Amino acid sequence: NAGVTQTPKFRVLKTGQSMTLLCAQDMNHEYMYWYRQDPGMGLRLIHYSVGEGTTAKGEVPDGYNVSRLKKQNFLLGLESAAPSQTSVYFCASSDRGSAGRYEQYFGPGTRLTVT
Amino acid sequence: AQTVTQSQPEMSVQEAETVTLSCTYDTSESNYYLFWYKQPPSRQMILVIRQEAYKQQNATENRFSVNFQKAAKSFSLKISDSQLGDTAMYFCAFMRNSNYQLIWGAGTKLIIKP
Repeated sequence: NAGVTQTPKFRVLKTGQSMTLLCAQDMNHEYMYWYRQDPGMGLRLIHYSVGEGTTAKGEVPDGYNVSRLKKQNFLLGLESAAPSQTSVYFCASSDRGSAGRYEQYFGPGTRLTVT
Repeated sequence: AQTVTQSQPEMSVQEAETVTLSCTYDTSESNYYLFWYKQPPSRQMILVIRQEAYKQQNATENRFSVNFQKAAKSFSLKISDSQLGDTAMYFCAFMRNSNYQLIWGAGTKLIIKP
């Protein structure tokens, strides 16, 4: 049981390049989330999904797109990277069950640098 | 809009001492959830403790306990018998009952000194 995994762990992009971050969870969770973490700030929600085939915007969605084609995977895309997107990106998932749906389980994070 | 405030950017205590981290939040909701997460240098985000707003009893998890004051909108974390492994960033987070989005504080860096 790996929990939540993220690929890659590190990445350096040039301005204007594109990339996709992959998040996978093996806990059969309904809900998945993408956050970014910047120095001196808490996590900010980029996009989230409440089930396979669904996505919704969070607090800071601009410049990002997401897809949830399979329940276990949640992809975060950057179409044209900008230096302002330099950050650490976290994926999380949570269950729908009444006892556990409020706890989010996190992946190890991806450090992205845009030069 | 909901906000979460952690007024202590950094704290340090000696090993075995007790330390309290502060968190206040702003909401008009009556039912919600509060969390403390720990982020050690490994960067992994780990749930420390959770509190449901409708429960008056303060949550406890071994050496970790909270002081939840609903009227004051305060949710502090107490760490007893602190250990070197408690060194980490600690984040307070708020979740409305009607959705599943977490609103995060800016974090408190806690250093446990030997």
